[in-house]
Amino acid sequence: SQQGEEDPQALSIQEGENATMNCSYKTSINNLQWYRQNSGRGLVHLILIRSNEREKHSGRLRVTLDTSKKSSSLLITASRAADTASYFCATADPGGSYIPTFGRGTSLIVHP
Amino acid sequence: KAGVTQTPRYLIKTRGQQVTLSCSPISGHRSVSWYQQTPGQGLQFLFEYFSETQRNKGNFPGRFSGRQFSNSRSEMNVSTLELGDSALYLCASSPSTGGNEKLFFGSGTQLSVL
Repeated sequence: SQQGEEDPQALSIQEGENATMNCSYKTSINNLQWYRQNSGRGLVHLILIRSNEREKHSGRLRVTLDTSKKSSSLLITASRAADTASYFCATADPGGSYIPTFGRGTSLIVHP
Repeated sequence: KAGVTQTPRYLIKTRGQQVTLSCSPISGHRSVSWYQQTPGQGLQFLFEYFSETQRNKGNFPGRFSGRQFSNSRSEMNVSTLELGDSALYLCASSPSTGGNEKLFFGSGTQLSVL
């Protein structure tokens, strides 16, 4: 089964800075989703971008998708300490079971 | 609307025992998926149920099983527990199946096998 891979594995920044995380995947996708997880809790859906979309915004979040490079990026602008969490991308393969498969995540720490 | 509810929140078992975890999806959601999360492997898909039928299954041994009831509530069972089964087990629900749905996750059950 395909799996997205996030990069970097860990990211440490100061409050007010922007945070960029990347996700690469292996095969064609139907859509790509980003989720956030606070320590030891469940995941929270952030944004879904379809394969025919190139960019999507939600508040301080901006997601881009480049299907030719099989990659996506998540940008969090003006980071806050409350953004400290792990961020995961999930892809659904239209040629497979459509089950969202997750990467190992990027651990983001925002220092106040 | 109430969110996805998983019980219990924490569980400690010993090797060889069996365990049953419960998940109540958001009202109206008919699809329930289970994931295992460990620090080394990340989130691994276990299985998905939709309308009481197992639609998809991940690459886990037969010791891992599940079911879904007519009210969409789901249970997963792990028999003959091994140390490596220690993990956070996450349940997620969605209105339907098919991969275009966003998943709503519960807070998980943290299972420790001693």
